[in-house]
Amino acid sequence: GAGVSQSPSNKVTEKGKDVELRCDPISGHTALYWYRQSLGQGLEFLIYFQGNSAPDKSGLPSDRFSAERTGGSVSTLTIQRTQQEDSAVYLCASSPGARDNQPQHFGDGTRLSIL
Amino acid sequence: SQELEQSPQSLIVQEGKNLTINCTSSKTLYGLYWYKQKYGEGLIFLMMLQKGGEEKSHEKITAKLDEKKQQSSLHITASQPSHAGIYLCGAPDFSGGYNKLIFGAGTRLAVHP
Repeated sequence: GAGVSQSPSNKVTEKGKDVELRCDPISGHTALYWYRQSLGQGLEFLIYFQGNSAPDKSGLPSDRFSAERTGGSVSTLTIQRTQQEDSAVYLCASSPGARDNQPQHFGDGTRLSIL
Repeated sequence: SQELEQSPQSLIVQEGKNLTINCTSSKTLYGLYWYKQKYGEGLIFLMMLQKGGEEKSHEKITAKLDEKKQQSSLHITASQPSHAGIYLCGAPDFSGGYNKLIFGAGTRLAVHP
């Protein structure tokens, strides 16, 4: 597809379970970003990838959160031992590069609900 | 750290009315993005502003960046129900040497027929 694709669109899981969220960026975009959008917190940065490397993981809330990117394309955000406060919409964005002032294009997000 | 403040938080207008949304930064902006979000969907890129005094228009939406590059406004002319949604301003935080975005809290717009 032409845009950023995220899956699943919705995920409901029990507290304590692990979840994996997937992001397929726009073809050719080397920069990939994960953001989280929750009530009361707005939209906050989680992690940035340039190629397969993650130079900045400073936004990850805890060590239960991890992410990887393979082949300079698809990225997976994993949350282990989920907690109720992890409930949020997780958004992925990509851009052609990271150093140029270029707009980031967002996917539709994954709405995560922890019961 | 840089912060973006949007006003108003929410806005209800009648179809056909004009409206303005503001975004104020605590620091000089090196770029300002406007996005629109509908419930259950991602962010749709509207416009990017970089230069002080810059103004861009797309259909009935006009965005401006002030000369001091600390405030931007988004103006919608003759609003329509299709303009309803959440408008977010975002700015690049180059502190890490790359284009990480910080966002305002958003302005929720409702347009009544």
